[in-house]
Order: sequence, then structure tokens, then C-alpha cells
Amino acid sequence: GENVEQHPSTLSVQEGDSAVIKCTYSDSASNYFPWYKQELGKRPQLIIDIRSNVGEKKDQRIAVTLNKTAKHFSLHITETQPEDSAVYFCAASQTNEKLTFGTGTRLTIIP
Amino acid sequence: DADVTQTPRNRITKTGKRIMLECSQTKGHDRMYWYRQDPGLGLRLIYYSFDVKDINKGEISDGYSVSRQAQAKFSLSLESAIPNQTALYFCATSDSRTGYEQYFGPGTRLTVT
Repeated sequence: GENVEQHPSTLSVQEGDSAVIKCTYSDSASNYFPWYKQELGKRPQLIIDIRSNVGEKKDQRIAVTLNKTAKHFSLHITETQPEDSAVYFCAASQTNEKLTFGTGTRLTIIP
Repeated sequence: DADVTQTPRNRITKTGKRIMLECSQTKGHDRMYWYRQDPGLGLRLIYYSFDVKDINKGEISDGYSVSRQAQAKFSLSLESAIPNQTALYFCATSDSRTGYEQYFGPGTRLTVT
């Protein structure tokens, strides 16, 4: 089955700086890669996703890049703000199949 | 507002007791999932159901069972709870017709003493 590794497990950045979280996956058949954000005490929520026919996707301050050859994808957050503090999970799946999640990254924005 | 709900939200139980966690959704989604969240281990899939008659084991199904009573309801049971089942449990739903996004419930914090 699919295996997703996520790094780092914790990340602290100064407010206004950029943050990058990286994931690798094992199954070359995976073609869908979402990122979920979980604020303290809340449920995970989708923030951005990418499919394997696209190399990069942006949504305001958030971007995701995908390298299919190397089987890794990354989340980039620019101009970080206090409300970006949360746990972020990457995941991978094949078309319309179950997701396999990474172990999460706790991002702390330092004012 | 269409949503995913879980009951109970918090539960403390003793070792050996049977416990059921319930999930209901008003989103009209066909797919439902149960995850377990532990610190440092992320979200691990326990069971998933792609429709009422389709139930599948996830990566950590031992010690758990499920029932899909209707399209909108998916229950998770611990037949004989043990302390290492202490965790935060999430239910999630998705719609096979419209895409891949999973919508999570608010979670159930379970403590087994």
C-alpha cells in the first residue's frame, strides 16, 4: 500500500517569513495530493490539493509543488501570519480511492 | 447547514467495556471513513465505506468494527476497549461524484482507563 512520509514534524518561523513542508510517497500510481490544516482543537480541513497532471498550484499565499519523478510534493506558505499556526497534513491517493496521510507538521509562527 | 456530526464528543470508559462512536452526515455523501489521531502518528484509517453495502478495513482495523446503518450513518465499535485505544477519533465523508475532498467531523476524544 501507499506510504507517505512528512518532514519536518515541527517548524517554527518568524512572522512574515516563508514555511516549507515536504512529503514523499511510495506508490507511483498515486495521482492526488491534498493538504489539510488542523487548528488547535478543530477538525482537519482541506486547504489546497494538486493532481498529478499539474506541477504547481497556487492559492494566494499557499502553493503546492509536485515532482512525480522523485515522488515528492511540498507545501509553501509565504508571508506567514499568526493564523497560519496549526498542524498540517499531507496525503496521497489514487483516483477516487482512500487517502493515506503523513504524520503531520506542527507549524508555529513567531510574532 | 450540511455537516458531519459525531457523538459522543468526549468519553471515558474502562478497560474491557464495549463502546460505540457514532457519525452522522447531512451532506448526502456516499463515502464515509473512520480515522484515529495520535500525537506524532497523524491520521490513520481504521475502516472506510464507499456505500452502504461496501465496508473495508483500513490500516489499523484490529480491535474495531463498524456498521453502516444508512447512507448517512456510520458507527465505530470497540468490542473490548483497551488503554492503547485512547485517542482522538474522526469521522469523515466524501462524495464520489464530485471529487476527492474529505469533510471531517468534530472528533471524539476517547479515554480508556
